[in-house]
Amino acid sequence: AQSVTQLGSHVSVSEGALVLLRCNYSSSVPPYLFWYVQYPNQGLQLLLKYTTGATLVKGINGFEAEFKKSETSFHLTKPSAHMSDAAEYFCAVSAPNFGNEKLTFGTGTRLTIIP
Amino acid sequence: ETGVTQTPRHLVMGMTNKKSLKCEQHLGHNAMYWYKQSAKKPLELMFVYSLEERVENNSVPSRFSPECPNSSHLFLHLHTLQPEDSALYLCASSQDRTGGVTDTQYFGPGTRLTVL
Repeated sequence: AQSVTQLGSHVSVSEGALVLLRCNYSSSVPPYLFWYVQYPNQGLQLLLKYTTGATLVKGINGFEAEFKKSETSFHLTKPSAHMSDAAEYFCAVSAPNFGNEKLTFGTGTRLTIIP
Repeated sequence: ETGVTQTPRHLVMGMTNKKSLKCEQHLGHNAMYWYKQSAKKPLELMFVYSLEERVENNSVPSRFSPECPNSSHLFLHLHTLQPEDSALYLCASSQDRTGGVTDTQYFGPGTRLTVL
């Protein structure tokens, strides 16, 4: 079984400030981990994913996430927030090669950027 | 068109209506998915099709009926829905459904459904 917990359903940061969105997971096997972003009135867009290898993963729009096995975390960061980053962000976990239907999503974090 | 498209983008229907949601993927993928997104809840997987064969049905009520005529198209037929079925319905596709390292799901923009 696997699960995802996203701490903070709403996060507000000032434009230019660090963005940190938290994600903790549980999985009985080494996981694949994902961050998706959903802009208003749009579907989910893949930001980045971790499968194997380097634990620091870089994604689109300047985002990155680090897989920390010891902390069972996969937090999403961006050094400097931009107004266009305002969206909802979803962390997800899957069990590799167990089928895509095993992709489990968190409840999402809505990011607000303060001008 | 590229990616995953969904029509209509918005739908309002009464409880006695019959309507259909359409999804089309232009990525050459073999697997397609229907998800339900409700406020404050994680995405709920409803159906999975692989090579036009249904492989997963997560205890979805029979008032939702999927159809996958080919690997590029997926439909969700709706009838006698309830107000609690109001949600954003997302379609996704992936190369396969194995969940392997390259097997990422790509999502459409969704259909916002309101049941009166």
